Amino acid sequence: GAGVSQTPSNKVTEKGKYVELRCDPISGHTALYWYRQSLGQGPEFLIYFQGTGAADDSGLPNDRFFAVRPEGSVSTLKIQCTERGDSAVYLCASSASTGLSSVAFFGQGTRLTVV
Amino acid sequence: KQEVTQIPAALSVPEGENLVLNCSFTDSAIYNLQWFRQDPGKGLTSLLLIQSSQREQTSGRLNASLDKSSGRSTLYIAASQPGDSATYLCAVRRGSSYKLIFGSGTRLLVRP
Repeated sequence: GAGVSQTPSNKVTEKGKYVELRCDPISGHTALYWYRQSLGQGPEFLIYFQGTGAADDSGLPNDRFFAVRPEGSVSTLKIQCTERGDSAVYLCASSASTGLSSVAFFGQGTRLTVV
Repeated sequence: KQEVTQIPAALSVPEGENLVLNCSFTDSAIYNLQWFRQDPGKGLTSLLLIQSSQREQTSGRLNASLDKSSGRSTLYIAASQPGDSATYLCAVRRGSSYKLIFGSGTRLLVRP
């Protein structure tokens, strides 16, 4: 596709439910990132994939959060037993290479609301 | 721990004015610094990327400078336009990590 695509754009779920957020990176991009942005704040790093493997998952807040990228393209962020504090915009980004100078292209995000 | 601060949090200027947005970071051991633009309800768009060895980068009416030793970067916008209204975020990357560490952003309003 032309850009990073995230679905759904909005998700409302009840406390305690399980949710999956999907990211389609730019075709051919090797690196993929997940960030979380709360209102009025900058994005906070969650996890980074090089190909299929999670090279850095140090930003995942706890073991309720998990992300996969089984074929090195689409990624899914999974949140179990959602809490109201998980409400935020979840942003996905991809870059063409794994080099530190590679520019990251961001999707429009999924706004998650836990009620 | 790297912390990134952006001042001011919000800025309102009349159209045509030149303006400067500020970004400071606590750990000077950065690999590069990026400035992003974020429109309401949208993702981030990369504006400029400055490597740690560089002093500045320019793109059109935008100029970003970097002073690594003092932990500061500025984004200069010349001849501002209403279409420049957005939130501007800076982010730094350490040489040992792929993660970007963001500031909270400056919300810019350019009044016609």
